Formats: sequence, structure tokens, C-alpha cells
Amino acid sequence: RKEVEQDPGPFNVPEGATVAFNCTYSNSASQSFFWYRQDCRKEPKLLMSVYSSGNEDGRFTAQLNRASQYISLLIRDSKLSDSATYLCSFGSARQLTFGSGTQLTVLP
Amino acid sequence: EAGVAQSPRYKIIEKRQSVAFWCNPISGHATLYWYQQILGQGPKLLIQFQNNGVVDDSQLPKDRFSAERLKGVDSTLKIQPAKLEDSAVYLCASSSSGGNEKLFFGSGTQLSVL
Repeated sequence: RKEVEQDPGPFNVPEGATVAFNCTYSNSASQSFFWYRQDCRKEPKLLMSVYSSGNEDGRFTAQLNRASQYISLLIRDSKLSDSATYLCSFGSARQLTFGSGTQLTVLP
Repeated sequence: EAGVAQSPRYKIIEKRQSVAFWCNPISGHATLYWYQQILGQGPKLLIQFQNNGVVDDSQLPKDRFSAERLKGVDSTLKIQPAKLEDSAVYLCASSSSGGNEKLFFGSGTQLSVL
């Protein structure tokens, strides 16, 4: 089983749609969880951390399911500017491991 | 606050040549990372420094890649000799501590090996 598995997409959704991504991890010792956003030809930037109780930041909601070992990202009311690749990331005591990313395109 | 600085932005070399990348982390960040990102893939950790010591270099191809962070601040990653499969973006990142902390990335160096 891969350390991190992400659906590569692409996800093509119309403006205003709700879209969700999942990301599974195999290392049960993972302690920290993040979603990063990466625009084309740019560096990854932290979108949000993922907390055990779930957390929300505006139109973005992140959830953690430790029992099934996955995290999710929900984007409501999609904007054109949300078009990017979304990378999940898992941290153990010493390092962060990244998924291969899910490509999202929001269409007008 | 200044971000993570990397240079050069782009580099084109022929196979078997050598190349070096430079990174200056955010001031005060103890942990520095070098990641390799091949097109269509996520960043893959090459090496992690805590101050000037190596924390993890298990995925660094040590026969051709080397990295140093002599004074615990800036860092250099070298490839010698380069192979075609080394074509990728090399990202430097830093964090205030290691492992569980969020990372701040530099803009990367895009390497093309011909």
C-alpha cells in the first residue's frame, strides 16, 4: 500500500459547485495533517491544517478520520481562483510526506 | 517577513554535468528541507536538516547528490553527475521546528537535464 494515496483527478467543476477530495495514509503514527495548495509552476502553500475535530476556514472544511486513515477537503461555492492542485500532507515525528496532488479546475 | 529564498530559478545542463542549488530559509527557522518534485507528482523529501545536522537523508541518492548546511542557516544541494531523470523542480522549505510543523516553501529551482 502506498504511503499516501490521492485521487489525481482532474476534477472539473462549474463555479459555485461543491467539491470534495479525499486522501488516505498508511502510517498510523501520523500525528499532523495538512492540505497544501499548489498553483501551476508555483511552490506549495499551506491551505489549512487538519484537526481531529474537523475545522473550517471560510468555504473550506477539512476532516480527519483516524479510524479509516484518511483526511478530506470540502470546498463550497467554488471560485475560478480555486483552480489549483491540492496536496495532502502527513507528518510523523520527524518529517512530512506529501501526496501526488488532486488537480481542480473550476469552470465559468 | 522575508520568505524562503532559492536560486537559481531555472537551470539547464547536459547529463553528466554538475549543478548546485542554494537556499536561504526564513530567519530563525531551525529546520530546512530539500524536496524533489517531478512533474505530476508530489514533493519527495531528499534531506532534512535540523540546524546544521542531518535528521533524515534516507531518500537522498548519495552516489550523486550531496547537501550541506554548514552554519545552520543557508544550504546548498549539489548533483554530480546529473542524469536525465534528475529533471525536476527542487524545492527548499523551512519550518520553525521539525516534523509536525507547517512548511514554508521557496519558489524552487527548475532543473532540466538534456
